[in-house]
Amino acid sequence: NAGVTQTPKFQVLKTGQSMTLQCAQDMNHEYMSWYRQDPGMGLRLIHYSVGAGITDQGEVPNGYNVSRSTTEDFPLRLLSAAPSQTSVYFCASSSYDTLNNEQFFGPGTRLTVL
Amino acid sequence: DAKTTQPNSMESNEEEPVHLPCNHSTISGTDYIHWYRQLPSQGPEYVIHGLTSNVNNRMASLAIAEDRKSSTLILHRATLRDAAVYYCIPPLIQGAQKLVFGQGTRLTINP
Repeated sequence: NAGVTQTPKFQVLKTGQSMTLQCAQDMNHEYMSWYRQDPGMGLRLIHYSVGAGITDQGEVPNGYNVSRSTTEDFPLRLLSAAPSQTSVYFCASSSYDTLNNEQFFGPGTRLTVL
Repeated sequence: DAKTTQPNSMESNEEEPVHLPCNHSTISGTDYIHWYRQLPSQGPEYVIHGLTSNVNNRMASLAIAEDRKSSTLILHRATLRDAAVYYCIPPLIQGAQKLVFGQGTRLTINP
């Protein structure tokens, strides 16, 4: 199993540009989520999904859109990038189990918005 | 929601045990305690979780206080590869799996 994969690894955008960060998992996990990590800080939840067709907002959803058309994929869209969105983005997945819910994280996408 | 408190940083020597403390004084009776760690330039990885009794796995041990208001992650014999930020995660919201990451404890291992 490849686990959780994220593309691209690095991206530089200009203010106002749009892009999609890709996330895929091959473990048939129901639950997927996106976090961002600013320098020296812990991770903050952006959006999450408990299954195909179901998404919800996390702690910092503004400026980001998500959709979940398949179990495997959970892309994160930035509609109009802003410098405040410069961060490292992590995707995670887990089996939908409230007691033993080890989450598996991808390697991250480092995004810089100029 | 339950909150956790951890020291900002700790330092230890290679091949010595490390005890990483966490206070979670507002934890409720059915909440699990989870620990994750983040190695440099990597995504977080699961370390261990537990409810009441002490737990062991191949990575670490988790000692939970009898009143459950604190726990200690134990690395029995630290290696340089254990240098990371260790996060004690507040109990998860029932029915969802939203991990809440604080600042964590930055562990430095000296050779």
